[in-house]
Amino acid sequence: GIQVEQSPPDLILQEGANSTLRCNFSDSVNNLQWFHQNPWGQLINLFYIPSGTKQNGRLSATTVATERYSLLYISSSQTTDSGVYFCAVERIGGYNKLIFGAGTRLAVHP
Amino acid sequence: GAGVSQSPSNKVTEKGKDVELRCDPISGHTALYWYRQSLGQGLEFLIYFQGNSAPDKSGLPSDRFSAERTGGSVSTLTIQRTQQEDSAVYLCASSLAGIRDRESFGPGTRLLVL
Repeated sequence: GIQVEQSPPDLILQEGANSTLRCNFSDSVNNLQWFHQNPWGQLINLFYIPSGTKQNGRLSATTVATERYSLLYISSSQTTDSGVYFCAVERIGGYNKLIFGAGTRLAVHP
Repeated sequence: GAGVSQSPSNKVTEKGKDVELRCDPISGHTALYWYRQSLGQGLEFLIYFQGNSAPDKSGLPSDRFSAERTGGSVSTLTIQRTQQEDSAVYLCASSLAGIRDRESFGPGTRLLVL
């Protein structure tokens, strides 16, 4: 089946720093999404981005579908950005079944 | 407005017992998903409901797992004869059909099988 690999697995930042999270996937996809799971376990949908670039405040994401990767950029990080960031893909013919990566665990310190 | 709600928030059970987990999706959302998240892991798809169509059960790990959705709204995930490896957080999400970027997740049910 399709493989989803995220890097780095862990990231520690000082408040105000910028970071880039990466998601590689092994096959063509219909859909790619980025999620944030806060320290209390709540999962928030950040981006639906099968291709191209989107921005939402301090966050932006770029997916290069032909090269099978996506990047999530966090600028001017804040302590509230802490948590786990998941990338998930839906393979072609996957019928809405998302396959998740193992996540990047981010800790932002004041 | 109200988000996706799940109950119970925590459940401790003994090995071999049956458990039922409930999900109340956002009103009007026709698509409903169940996921499982084991400790320190990503999410694993379990089942997908869309309107009155037959559900996609391809993610259910064994025949001990089943789910139903009554009246196109509330969903119940049932695990029969629970095993210790069933311990995980079970997450429910809902969305308007075909609009994945509006998918909303519930807070999850933390299941511990002793």
